[in-house]
Amino acid sequence: DAGITQSPRHKVTETGTPVTLRCHQTENHRYMYWYRQDPGHGLRLIHYSYGVKDTDKGEVSDGYSVSRSKTEDFLLTLESATSSQTSVYFCAIRRTGLAGGSNNEQFFGPGTRLTVL
Amino acid sequence: DQQVKQNSPSLSVQEGRISILNCDYTNSMFDYFLWYKKYPAEGPTFLISISSIKDKNEDGRFTVFLNKSAKHLSLHIVPSQPGDSAVYFCAASRQGTASKLTFGTGTRLQVTL
Repeated sequence: DAGITQSPRHKVTETGTPVTLRCHQTENHRYMYWYRQDPGHGLRLIHYSYGVKDTDKGEVSDGYSVSRSKTEDFLLTLESATSSQTSVYFCAIRRTGLAGGSNNEQFFGPGTRLTVL
Repeated sequence: DQQVKQNSPSLSVQEGRISILNCDYTNSMFDYFLWYKKYPAEGPTFLISISSIKDKNEDGRFTVFLNKSAKHLSLHIVPSQPGDSAVYFCAASRQGTASKLTFGTGTRLQVTL
């Protein structure tokens, strides 16, 4: 258990509406990530954060924005949802200082299933 | 352009036998590789990793092999158990990139009795 929660776990919304997904961690890790998982694509990085107010784009960032106003929360916003954003969204954290680890391992939350009609 | 490829969408193995999952990559800058296991309706779970300075890493029933010249890695599970049935993703990252992961498309492993 990596101490990561995501909310909501499921959401159905309509095209054109704004949607915000929340990722919350309890362990104070600096790095947080948002991925989406789609059939035939694996997981793809949307945005990531390397500290409070420090964020950067990933591979599929168009149509998404993020915010990190405090260490424990990383928000993903779809400003105007489209059907192509129907997906499962995963948040991840990167733990540092792991015994025997390289600090490259990421640990994932349970996911949010988003359907845009 | 898929930089990390898992060419077998599915694999079926009998319980007790060896499962071998394969992964190929095209970006020679990748220097760290990871395997994740994913059950339905759950997040991916980290399984095992390997640095490019090694060619093998073992953890219990799981061994990852890396062939840098071929840009190929494989995950061996011995012996396979029914609880190993899941989707397995390989992922790659490189130093200095905030550990951003590039994932393959996954291989669904089914371990039969």
